[in-house]
Amino acid sequence: QKEVEQDPGPLSVPEGAIVSLNCTYSNSAFQYFMWYRQYSRKGPELLMYTYSSGNKEDGRFTAQVDKSSKYISLFIRDSQPSDSATYLCAMTRTTGNQFYFGTGTSLTVIP
Amino acid sequence: DVKVTQSSRYLVKRTGEKVFLECVQDMDHENMFWYRQDPGLGLRLIYFSYDVKMKEKGDIPEGYSVSREKKERFSLILESASTNQTSMYLCASSSSPGTGEKLFFGSGTQLSVL
Repeated sequence: QKEVEQDPGPLSVPEGAIVSLNCTYSNSAFQYFMWYRQYSRKGPELLMYTYSSGNKEDGRFTAQVDKSSKYISLFIRDSQPSDSATYLCAMTRTTGNQFYFGTGTSLTVIP
Repeated sequence: DVKVTQSSRYLVKRTGEKVFLECVQDMDHENMFWYRQDPGLGLRLIYFSYDVKMKEKGDIPEGYSVSREKKERFSLILESASTNQTSMYLCASSSSPGTGEKLFFGSGTQLSVL
């Protein structure tokens, strides 16, 4: 079983839609959770960063962590064509140096 | 903002060539990483380094070596490039565990081995 599972999509939505992206994980020791946006042929860009459980909002983006269910989500409100990208979730423990990634969800926002 | 700089965006090499991929970070991070990214396989860790001259194998170290002579610089070496090493290579850096881990990536090097 992979440590982090993420539906690869692809996901296609109309402009203005609310997008929900999700990851599940198996290791209860994960404490730091990240979402990355990756445009085609570019490196991943850190989008959201959350420590432990709860919500974090930044503009149109909201990250949620539910540690009891081992489930994290990224919501994008009022989606724009410029949001078309692959979104990667990542997480790590408090100790140790390794990061664990989902395989990424490909999102297309249609004008 | 943290900046992780990879020396090349695109590289084309011949089978059997020795290939050097260079990475520099400007945030005094202890940890540096090399990943490769392939469609359908996601990100796979090749090597990481948690200090100067220190290195640890990741999930797929075969055919690769690394060098970290200075804190800000981490190099990936393909001793004898093969076609199955055609991939996107991503360098990343982070601060020490327990200090608020955030991982920052470079813009990537798309390597083609012919």
